[in-house]
Amino acid sequence: AQSVTQLGSHVSVSEGALVLLRCNYSSSVPPYLFWYVQYPNQGLQLLLKYTSAATLVKGINGFEAEFKKSETSFHLTKPSAHMSDAAEYFCAVRNINNDMRFGAGTRLTVKP
Amino acid sequence: EPEVTQTPSHQVTQMGQEVILRCVPISNHLYFYWYRQILGQKVEFLVSFYNNEISEKSEIFDDQFSVERPDGSNFTLKIRSTKLEDSAMYFCASTLRTSGGADEQFFGPGTRLTVL
Repeated sequence: AQSVTQLGSHVSVSEGALVLLRCNYSSSVPPYLFWYVQYPNQGLQLLLKYTSAATLVKGINGFEAEFKKSETSFHLTKPSAHMSDAAEYFCAVRNINNDMRFGAGTRLTVKP
Repeated sequence: EPEVTQTPSHQVTQMGQEVILRCVPISNHLYFYWYRQILGQKVEFLVSFYNNEISEKSEIFDDQFSVERPDGSNFTLKIRSTKLEDSAMYFCASTLRTSGGADEQFFGPGTRLTVL
């Protein structure tokens, strides 16, 4: 089965600093990869997805992610963090059976 | 913009009681899913449903759980005899299709189940 691993359960950055949230995948076939964001007491919102059309994927709220096959990675980045970016971020891979397999999540804290 | 809805937003129940969590997927979607998230943990797949039957289920989805699409709009998750460890946020999701592309799964806002 496909799976993803998120490195770092908690990332803290200062407002305006670079955000880097790490995700590595394990897949026997070309993967479909996703990043979701969960704000406190809310559901999951799609940030972006990789569908093999382009290795650099741009999402909402200024986030982007780069698919690197050689590193089996799909790290999420944002050049300049805003206070409103504070949330839980989940990397996910679409499993061969079409359900989503999520990473453990990374909680992003943004300091003023 | 169409969205997945879930009711109730919060359900409190006594251990051993039956609960039914309700979801209304996006109207033209064909594939439906339930996930759960125990507090502070990752989102876990429970079950997928297509063409009025279960497509896949995880090891979490034991005989205590069942799903149903009783009409053309609702998709329900029933837990027959709740246990303390069933306390979690339950998310419903739907997608239009799963073959031929990375179709996004649209998630509902979740139902927080608290078992006392």
